[in-house]
Amino acid sequence: QQQVKQSPQSLIVQKGGISIINCAYENTAFDYFPWYQQFPGKGPALLIAIRPDVSEKKEGRFTISFNKSAKQFSLHIMDSQPGDSATYFCAATQNSGGSNYKLTFGKGTLLTVNP
Amino acid sequence: DTGVSQDPRHKITKRGQNVTFRCDPISEHNRLYWYRQTLGQGPEFLTYFQNEAQLEKSRLLSDRFSAERPKGSFSTLEIQRTEQGDSAMYLCASSLEDSPRAFFGQGTRLTVV
Repeated sequence: QQQVKQSPQSLIVQKGGISIINCAYENTAFDYFPWYQQFPGKGPALLIAIRPDVSEKKEGRFTISFNKSAKQFSLHIMDSQPGDSATYFCAATQNSGGSNYKLTFGKGTLLTVNP
Repeated sequence: DTGVSQDPRHKITKRGQNVTFRCDPISEHNRLYWYRQTLGQGPEFLTYFQNEAQLEKSRLLSDRFSAERPKGSFSTLEIQRTEQGDSAMYLCASSLEDSPRAFFGQGTRLTVV
């Protein structure tokens, strides 16, 4: 059972464009939703995260939009740069009730930003 | 502090051999996690420690796998009698006790031949 579904699998964007990656979750107990960026041969790096009490969070060029009723959230990368080319993973965890905060990841999106 | 450190970065082993990986978490983090990542997939949870106590193990963690965190600092993950299906990136992450913000190491890439 895949609890976090991520799309698209791959994405090609021109420099300066907007990259949008979508995720949907099933477990309503999830209440913390981070995005990770991973370069080849490296571990995932925490990029930005959101809790369901807000509908949007922005950090620099990165924005998370969250729709609690639809159980969906998305990552928007504004003014995409070639250096943003990487694999992006959405994830979810339960951030309450003594949870161990183990992360459930999507399958990832390979982003390529062309110069 | 330079973050979560994992050693070795790469390991090639023959089928049937035992391997051991080490993870040094961020020093003030008392939670430590192991994940496994296969090609084209997201990381999958294996096990988690709070200080020296192993509090949860995934069903992915067969009886050939064992993890320890003897003094609540570094952790080791051992795989006995390796199989080709064990080939993957093994990732370690750590966090503060009351925080969901997990920071990952660079991973150990295991290849079983």
